[in-house]
Parts: sequence; C-alpha cells; structure tokens
Amino acid sequence: EAEVAQSPRYKITEKSQAVAFWCDPISGHATLYWYRQILGQGPELLVQFQDESVVDDSQLPKDRFSAERLKGVDSTLKIQPAELGDSAMYLCASSPQRREQFFGPGTRLTVL
Amino acid sequence: QQPVQSPQAVILREGEDAVINCSSSKALYSVHWYRQKHGEAPVFLMILLKGGEQKGHEKISASFNEKKQQSSLYLTASQLSYSGTYFCGTVGGSQGNLIFGKGTKLSVKP
Repeated sequence: EAEVAQSPRYKITEKSQAVAFWCDPISGHATLYWYRQILGQGPELLVQFQDESVVDDSQLPKDRFSAERLKGVDSTLKIQPAELGDSAMYLCASSPQRREQFFGPGTRLTVL
Repeated sequence: QQPVQSPQAVILREGEDAVINCSSSKALYSVHWYRQKHGEAPVFLMILLKGGEQKGHEKISASFNEKKQQSSLYLTASQLSYSGTYFCGTVGGSQGNLIFGKGTKLSVKP
C-alpha cells in the first residue's frame, strides 16, 4: 500500500538554527499539504501545493518558513531561524483530487 | 471558522456505542473524519459531501446535515482498536481548504 514518506521522524534543534523537513507524497498525487500540529490540537494548514505551484500559503509565517516542490513531486519545508514556539509535529499529506488526504508519519520538532 | 467538536472526550467499555458531533458556523461543502492514535499520523476514515449523505466504514458511520452545518460520527459496538482522537475537518467550498476541529479523545476500555 502506497504511503506518504517523511524524514526525519524526529528533530531536536536549538533556537536560531535552521531545520528542514522532507516529504515524498503518494505517487500520482498532485496535491500536497504541509500541516503543523500542536499537542492536543488539530492539524493546521501551513501550505498547499498543486503540482509545483503554491495554491495557499496564507498561514505560512513567511519571515521564517519556506516551502518548495520544485518538480511537482517531493517537497521540502524549511524553518530559519527556528524559535521555541515552533516545537510541534509537522505533517505532510497528499491527495489525488483535493478530496481525502493521506498523511505521512510526521516530523516531531523540538526547539531548545 | 474552526468546527466545534463535542464531546471533548469520552470513555467507553468494549461493545458500547458513541456519537461524536461536529458543527460549523459556516456553510459546508464537505466534512472529513480522521482518527489519530497517540504519536501517529491521522488516518482517513471517510468524507461526506453536501447532500445529506451517510457513509459507513466497518462499524463506524457518519451523517452530514448541510442545512444544520453539522456532521455526526457513529461508532457502534466499540472495539479496543477504536481508541484514539477523532478529528472532523470541514471544507467551505469546492476549492476550500480543510479546517480541523480540536478533536474528540475516545478511550475504549476492556
């Protein structure tokens, strides 16, 4: 069964450092999402891609966060510099037609 | 804009039934339901489109009342494996984004 892959699974960093997360969606899924989930809350959308184009990044803190999906397949989310408040689970999801979304295992980020 | 889920938490014995509700203050195009176990990613359960449809997934079913902007998830004869946090996600239009509720934590005891 095809799955969304994410790496790393865990990341510990110090504030002001740069971090990057990688996501490989299910093959053939044109839509890719990055979410942030704080413990005890539902996922919150950071950015949505349709193929290589950004469809929605209105909730992405653009002063420190960036995301790209250069070839319309895998994607990278970067934070620079990381802040204490960025500690959270970062989830990637993909969807075939903007319908049901399939989530990867996530990256647990801890900023010290 | 975030949908409201109720209850926040529920504890069941194996074999008991539960209902989780999701309501929105805005018109909805679709409602999605996910289950997330501790430390794992959310798993898609089902999607309901406007039209008042009802769907089922094993012993889990859901309804969507677009006029009331509400959806309910029904878990019958609960099993230990049903434990987890259930999230509803709502979409306001055909091109809208999924907005998740805060979740309902379900614990099924033997």
